[in-house]
Amino acid sequence: DTEVTQTPKHLVMGMTNKKSLKCEQHMGHRAMYWYKQKAKKPPELMFVYSYEKLSINESVPSRFSPECPNSSLLNLHLHALQPEDSALYLCASSQFNGISNEQFFGPGTRLTVL
Amino acid sequence: DAKTTQPPSMDCAEGRAANLPCNHSTISGNEYVYWYRQIHSQGPQYIIHGLKNNETNEMASLIITEDRKSSTLILPHATLRDTAVYYCIVRVAYSGAGSYQLTFGKGTKLSVIP
Repeated sequence: DTEVTQTPKHLVMGMTNKKSLKCEQHMGHRAMYWYKQKAKKPPELMFVYSYEKLSINESVPSRFSPECPNSSLLNLHLHALQPEDSALYLCASSQFNGISNEQFFGPGTRLTVL
Repeated sequence: DAKTTQPPSMDCAEGRAANLPCNHSTISGNEYVYWYRQIHSQGPQYIIHGLKNNETNEMASLIITEDRKSSTLILPHATLRDTAVYYCIVRVAYSGAGSYQLTFGKGTKLSVIP
């Protein structure tokens, strides 16, 4: 199984809502990533988890709260978002010390903040 | 990680070889060249990577110049399904932190024409 799954595929939320994005992989990867991609722009790294611990936070606002409850799951909790946070949110995973270190990406969650 | 320069767009006739160039003149000795592509509204997909030797897999070939300051990704027989944004990324293959975040540039939008 070389698949990264993300749910939901689409999400529309108001600025006062609380919602969560979910990412799952069963490849035994111990590094997991959240990227944000605005329209017609390249993906930008948000967070990195290594062995279920947050290792990189790219100065992301606190209204985005990541969580890695176990080695297969990665969540992104959303609260009090702004319309400019509307984007495609991508999850990825990779081996910790693999030779190719390729990242496997999920299909993304398209988020619209009203 | 070293910065890369790619043409913003290219066209290729279906069935012909697509040659996508990438300039990475500031690449360091321990940095690899990676290529990913992103088909519209999907997550990025790993294609190939290399250090200094030419590489080939079932998807593409990677030609790296002897001075390693530039490279070319070759799709030998482009199909309509190869229409995508292609990203050339330079980064170390082995990180002490164990995670391998990607820094995406603007990429090249390849359009395969029937």
